[in-house]
Amino acid sequence: GAGVSQTPSNKVTEKGKYVELRCDPISGHTALYWYRQSLGQGPEFLIYFQGTGAADDSGLPNDRFFAVRPEGSVSTLKIQRTERGDSAVYLCASSLNPGANVLTFGAGSRLTVL
Amino acid sequence: RKEVEQDPGPFNVPEGATVAFNCTYSNSASQSFFWYRQDCRKEPKLLMSVYSSGNEDGRFTAQLNRASQYISLLIRDSKLSDSATYLCVVNKLAGNMLTFGGGTRLMVKP
Repeated sequence: GAGVSQTPSNKVTEKGKYVELRCDPISGHTALYWYRQSLGQGPEFLIYFQGTGAADDSGLPNDRFFAVRPEGSVSTLKIQRTERGDSAVYLCASSLNPGANVLTFGAGSRLTVL
Repeated sequence: RKEVEQDPGPFNVPEGATVAFNCTYSNSASQSFFWYRQDCRKEPKLLMSVYSSGNEDGRFTAQLNRASQYISLLIRDSKLSDSATYLCVVNKLAGNMLTFGGGTRLMVKP
């Protein structure tokens, strides 16, 4: 597509529920990133994919968070047993290749855990 | 200590003013540096890269001081439309993950 597409744009869920957030990167971009941004903070790195594999998942906060990119394009971020502290905007970004250094972000998925 | 530190502001300036933001980073091996702009409730967008020799893009000038691990952004002749949060961004040497500062909020008033 023309840009990075993220769905849903807004998600409200209850504590303890499971959530999936989807990212469709720019066509042809091999590198895909997930960031999380809390109110008043800068984006915080979660995980980075090169193709289908997770090249760096050091930012995932705990084992409730998991992400996949099975065919090297669309990625899904999965959060199990959501907690109120998971409330944030989850941003996806892609770049043409890992060395490009310039990220194009999607509009984000705003997650609210009640 | 955060890897990339910025004064959160807000900086409140009148139209036409010159304003400067600073940023410090902790990893001396960092190689690439950027300023991103983020409007309220929008995604970050690349404003400009920062080169060792300093670089200018219209009213915007970026400087890098590797010895002091310090990056700056200067905005001349501020416009109302410059109101946004400015994010200092550094490349982490170990991979291709960009590390963002917390952002500096700028409010330009008429």
